[in-house]
Amino acid sequence: QSVLTQPPSVSAAPGQKVTISCSGRSSNIGNNYVSWYQQFPGSAPKLLIFENSKRPSGIPDRFSGSRSGASATLDISDLQTGDEASYYCATWDNRLSAAGVFGGGTTVTVL
Amino acid sequence: VQLVQSGAELRKPGTSVKVSCQASGFKFTDYLIHWVRQAPGQGLEWMGYVNSNGRTTKAAEKFQGRVTLTRDTSSTTAFMELSRLTSNDTAIYYCAREFGDAFDFWGQGSLVSVSS
Repeated sequence: QSVLTQPPSVSAAPGQKVTISCSGRSSNIGNNYVSWYQQFPGSAPKLLIFENSKRPSGIPDRFSGSRSGASATLDISDLQTGDEASYYCATWDNRLSAAGVFGGGTTVTVL
Repeated sequence: VQLVQSGAELRKPGTSVKVSCQASGFKFTDYLIHWVRQAPGQGLEWMGYVNSNGRTTKAAEKFQGRVTLTRDTSSTTAFMELSRLTSNDTAIYYCAREFGDAFDFWGQGSLVSVSS
């Protein structure tokens, strides 16, 4: 069971928006930066969002992140078939001596 | 920036495995290197890190006493050694560079299979 809680799956039609939630507690999301990763089958994860809402160079602005209290959200707007992948949130947990923690992952399906 | 990991390994239960992660394209001594694993069909699991000068390491509680994280500046390579392997350790092991409290570049992964 993961320290951070994500929905197992979300889906939407092309062009629409999906929102992926990541729920934690004050010891992790509430007091640490959240990052988000995209992973295709057979490939390594790729950084999408860091420091809650910043995008690395090359990441489209269709991907956006936010944090409020002990929860974080990844929005994918103008959904494309190429966005079908698994998405993971991550942060640090002060109760675990600043250990890294991940969400269980969310599979995005484009209908 | 590249992190190139060693190849797949097959080990018997009770033995150890050492995975390498060779870095290039950036100043190796400026960054922490983390290790993350992913069991078949499962999510990502953080294992620990070695700091920029190699003098400090931190491992997730479940791996403490069983994992050794090191790095060699001369070869710009980080290493993860896991001992007392069981079938539950069968997974893809990734190294990743830390930047801004996130993992901005990842190795391609190294499959470790544990089977008698």
